[in-house]
Amino acid sequence: QLQLQESGPGLVKPSETLSLTCAVSGGSITSSAYYWGWIRQPPGKGLQWIGSIYYNGATYYNPSLESRVTISVDTSKSQFSLKLRSVAATDTAEYYCARQTGGNWFDPWGQGTLVTVSS
Amino acid sequence: EIVMTQSPATLSLSPGERATLSCRASQSVSSDLAWYQQKPGQAPRLLIYGASTRATGVPARFSGSGSGTEFTLTISSLQSEDFAVYYCQEYSHWPQTFGQGTKVEIK
Repeated sequence: QLQLQESGPGLVKPSETLSLTCAVSGGSITSSAYYWGWIRQPPGKGLQWIGSIYYNGATYYNPSLESRVTISVDTSKSQFSLKLRSVAATDTAEYYCARQTGGNWFDPWGQGTLVTVSS
Repeated sequence: EIVMTQSPATLSLSPGERATLSCRASQSVSSDLAWYQQKPGQAPRLLIYGASTRATGVPARFSGSGSGTEFTLTISSLQSEDFAVYYCQEYSHWPQTFGQGTKVEIK
């Protein structure tokens, strides 16, 4: 079945750029039925949608993060990526990638990766 | 941005009891609502989409209802594995938003 796996540094310094990749296996990243999204969860808190991308590169971002976020897709490698610039301690969170059916609900999710912003 | 408000924040129940979780939207989202279950140390798991359609493999004791601004997730008889945090998510508009969660704990 479809699996997603996040990867990237677990520690990022303040003001630097957080970069994560989500590898998709067991299914096609170019299916027209799906978007691919990033969601984060600060420790002990709720879920925040960061943004989503369609296989053709069309992107949708949360306005609260839009000025700092870039999501891209590499269909040849079956992966999509997140870059969050100028990070601060408030960006410390578990970061999840997920498939998004028709730009709607998220299923399945990756296992998540904890990113800590600290000097 | 649509604000999703879940209540109660915590629900203390015993196994076998019925759980009723609420999610309210600040404006109508039609039936564009999903529910997720999250256990400690795990990623969220989709339970319900379209307000009332169970995702593949979700037990029949989970049911969703509602439309517009008021939604309910019902667990008919709590099993030990159901004690977790539950989130609602609306997807009628970008940006899509989640509720703050309801924790279902063992009484």
